[in-house]
Amino acid sequence: EAGVAQSPRYKIIEKRQSVAFWCNPISGHATLYWYQQILGQGPKLLIQFQNNGVVDDSQLPKDRFSAERLKGVDSTLKIQPAKLEDSAVYLCASSYSLDEKLFFGSGTQLSVL
Amino acid sequence: GESVGLHLPTLSVQEGDNSIINCAYSNSASDYFIWYKQESGKGPQFIIDIRSNMDKRQGQRVTVLLNKTVKHLSLQIAATQPGDSAVYFCAENTGSGNTPLVFGKGTRLSVIA
Repeated sequence: EAGVAQSPRYKIIEKRQSVAFWCNPISGHATLYWYQQILGQGPKLLIQFQNNGVVDDSQLPKDRFSAERLKGVDSTLKIQPAKLEDSAVYLCASSYSLDEKLFFGSGTQLSVL
Repeated sequence: GESVGLHLPTLSVQEGDNSIINCAYSNSASDYFIWYKQESGKGPQFIIDIRSNMDKRQGQRVTVLLNKTVKHLSLQIAATQPGDSAVYFCAENTGSGNTPLVFGKGTRLSVIA
C-alpha cells in the first residue's frame, strides 16, 4: 500500500514570495490533515478535511495560508505571502476516518530567506 | 496552549537495555493516545495507540501504559536497538470525531552502542 505522498521535498523562497505544497493521501482515506512542524517542536495542526469539507481550520493563519481539497482526494496548501517565521516542515497526514490513527508523509521542508 | 507534554527532552540508553519515555497530559477528556516515532528527515511514524478503556497495550517490543488517575502515558521499548534512535512524540485527542491530535514537544532517544 502506497503511503502519503508529498511534493516538493524541499523549497527555498524569499519572504513575501508565494509557495504551494501538494499532498496525495493514502487511497481510501477520507480525512486529510496539514501540520506545521517548527524545528525542535511537535507538529501543530493547520487544517483538517473530511472528504472535501473543512472540519477544523482554527489554527490556520487565514490572512496568508489557504488550503483546498476540491475532489476529496489530493490537497494543496498555499502560503502567500511567506514570512520568515513560516520556515518549517509542512506535513500532510491522512486517516481512514475521524478518530483513527494518522499516517504521515515525509513532509516539505520550507526555508524562507 | 498544548495539553500534552513530556517529562524528559532527551534520553540516552545502552543498546540492549529497556527504554521508558514518559508523557503527561492535562485534558481529562482525552480518550485516545498515540505514540509516534520520527527519524531525521522523515514524517512521524505510528508506533502504537491506546484508548482510555485500557491501561496497557503491547506491540512488538513496545508497550504503552496509560494511567488516567494521574494523566500519564508511557512508552516502553524492550531491548533498545540503534534503529530506535529517534524523537518520540505522544499525541492525544478527545475522540469526539472532529478534534485533531495534539502533539507534545517530543523526547529524543539516543541509543549508545
